[in-house]
Amino acid sequence: DAGVTQSPTHLIKTRGQQVTLRCSPKSGHDTVSWYQQALGQGPQFIFQYYEEEERQRGNFPDRFSGHQFPNYSSELNVNALLLGDSALYLCASTLGQGLLQQYFGPGTRLTVT
Amino acid sequence: AQKVTQAQTEISVVEKEDVTLDCVYETRDTTYYLFWYKQPPSGELVFLIRRNSFDEQNEISGRYSWNFQKSTSSFNFTITASQVVDSAVYFCALSVGNNDMRFGAGTRLTVKP
Repeated sequence: DAGVTQSPTHLIKTRGQQVTLRCSPKSGHDTVSWYQQALGQGPQFIFQYYEEEERQRGNFPDRFSGHQFPNYSSELNVNALLLGDSALYLCASTLGQGLLQQYFGPGTRLTVT
Repeated sequence: AQKVTQAQTEISVVEKEDVTLDCVYETRDTTYYLFWYKQPPSGELVFLIRRNSFDEQNEISGRYSWNFQKSTSSFNFTITASQVVDSAVYFCALSVGNNDMRFGAGTRLTVKP
């Protein structure tokens, strides 16, 4: 039973660039959420996708956008990267909307220089 | 507003000692969920427990136990007879209305042999 997978594992970008992170949910799950975890802090909820639409959003600027594909996989896009965007980006999946039964992936470590 | 406070940044114990991780939460809602997650060095968050606000029963699962007290807004986590494999960062989290999840800053637990 495949768990949540994310790619790439690590990424280095320069300020002002754009980045795309990818997530494949656990088998049987149809909902994907994204979190940002800065060093030494807890994860912060970015948004959740269900039925290919953004359903819920945390307190993040419009530079953060996403997409969900018909196979339930998802992308997180961040435009105009700032140094403060350096973090571990975690993807979590669940069946149906909501956050109560999430399975997390190993994350993508983004470094902005 | 919802908030989770984990006052203990780091804890170090010797194997076989008992250790309690503290979690204090804030919310004005009467319906909410509390969680504990473990984050090993590999990065993914591992779900440990979920409690809803109407269930104050303490729970024991093997060497793990949880003490939920609404009167003090606390949801503490105890590991009995700690083992080296328990070394990780532990996060307490709060979800209100299944729309958002707020994590504490985490407690880094180191269990020395």
